[in-house]
Amino acid sequence: QKEVEQDPGPLSVPEGAIVSLNCTYSNSAFQYFMWYRQYSRKGPELLMYTYSSGNKEDGRFTAQVDKSSKYISLFIRDSQPSDSATYLCAMSGGSNYKLTFGKGTLLTVNP
Amino acid sequence: DVKVTQSSRYLVKRTGEKVFLECVQDMDHENMFWYRQDPGLGLRLIYFSYDVKMKEKGDIPEGYSVSREKKERFSLILESASTNQTSMYLCASSLFLGDTQYFGPGTRLTVL
Repeated sequence: QKEVEQDPGPLSVPEGAIVSLNCTYSNSAFQYFMWYRQYSRKGPELLMYTYSSGNKEDGRFTAQVDKSSKYISLFIRDSQPSDSATYLCAMSGGSNYKLTFGKGTLLTVNP
Repeated sequence: DVKVTQSSRYLVKRTGEKVFLECVQDMDHENMFWYRQDPGLGLRLIYFSYDVKMKEKGDIPEGYSVSREKKERFSLILESASTNQTSMYLCASSLFLGDTQYFGPGTRLTVL
């Protein structure tokens, strides 16, 4: 079983839709969870950072962590064409001092 | 605002050439990382450094070396470039190991 699994998509939604992006993981020691957004031919940029379980909201973005299910989600409300990008989850914790990344989900928001 | 810069956005080299990719961060971060990113394979860690002159191998170090002579600068060296090293190379830095990493814009390297 891979440490982090992320559906690669592609995911195509109309403008204004609610988008749900997800990752599952196997290492129960993970406690730091991040979401990065990567536009085509650019470096990833940090979008959301959460520690342990719970929700965190920032504008149209909500990050959710369910440690009991080893499942994290990123919700995008009122999606915009400018949200079209690849979204990468990342996590760390315990003896794993490096970030472990998902392979990314390609999202397209159509006007 | 955090800033990681990379020396080139696009680079074209020939097989067998020695290639230097340079990364500079202005955040006084202890840790710096080099990744390569390929379609379907995601981000793979090549090397990282947790202090000046200190380095550790990542998941795919073969064919690469690194140098960190100053805290803000981390170089990736391809001793003899090969076509299978054609890739997007990303540098990142973080304050603590396991902490959020801040990425540079990437260098798209093509080896002919």
